[in-house]
Amino acid sequence: DAEITQSPRHKITETGRQVTLACHQTWNHNNMFWYRQDLGHGLRLIHYSYGVHDTNKGEVSDGYSVSRSNTEDLPLTLESAASSQTSVYFCASSERAGLSYEQYFGPGTRLTVT
Amino acid sequence: AQSVTQLGSHVSVSEGALVLLRCNYSSSVPPYLFWYVQYPNQGLQLLLKYTTGATLVKGINGFEAEFKKSETSFHLTKPSAHMSDAAEYFCAVIISYNTDKLIFGTGTRLQVFP
Repeated sequence: DAEITQSPRHKITETGRQVTLACHQTWNHNNMFWYRQDLGHGLRLIHYSYGVHDTNKGEVSDGYSVSRSNTEDLPLTLESAASSQTSVYFCASSERAGLSYEQYFGPGTRLTVT
Repeated sequence: AQSVTQLGSHVSVSEGALVLLRCNYSSSVPPYLFWYVQYPNQGLQLLLKYTTGATLVKGINGFEAEFKKSETSFHLTKPSAHMSDAAEYFCAVIISYNTDKLIFGTGTRLQVFP
């Protein structure tokens, strides 16, 4: 069965360190998204991609970067982790825009920055 | 600009009682609307969606929602709550039709008491 996976599921890191969160999907979807989930804010979009070599900034992109070298993966990098980036991070994917509009979510990565 | 407001961050019902989760939206284009459910320690899963056509939309697990343009609402209902419905529910509106980007509400946590 097709799926979307995230690793690690839990991560503790120190302020100032670079951290990369992995996202891998086997749906063969063109679109991929990264969100952060914080109490009182719901899900907020960090970065998104519509295909290989395409990346775009979302509403809370400062301090984060992504790259898309193939269809399956969209890793999220925190260049220099800050305590404000402690959150739960979700990756999602969807078919080519304008088809079903349904996003499929991974199980999430809980990141703690100490 | 598009936005979503979910009234009530917590809703408690007894098993067998009606579930009503409120969602109001603002959209500069005819809205496409979604309800997602998040069970503990999991990613989000699509419950139902409204794009065009019938304004009463049926989803999984006995949930349904009605699009009311005059009230700018898309409330989620279920006639009889089950213990397994305890979860967090997110309403979302699409930003634009050719991007699949969503704006999420802040979520409503549903508790079901025996």
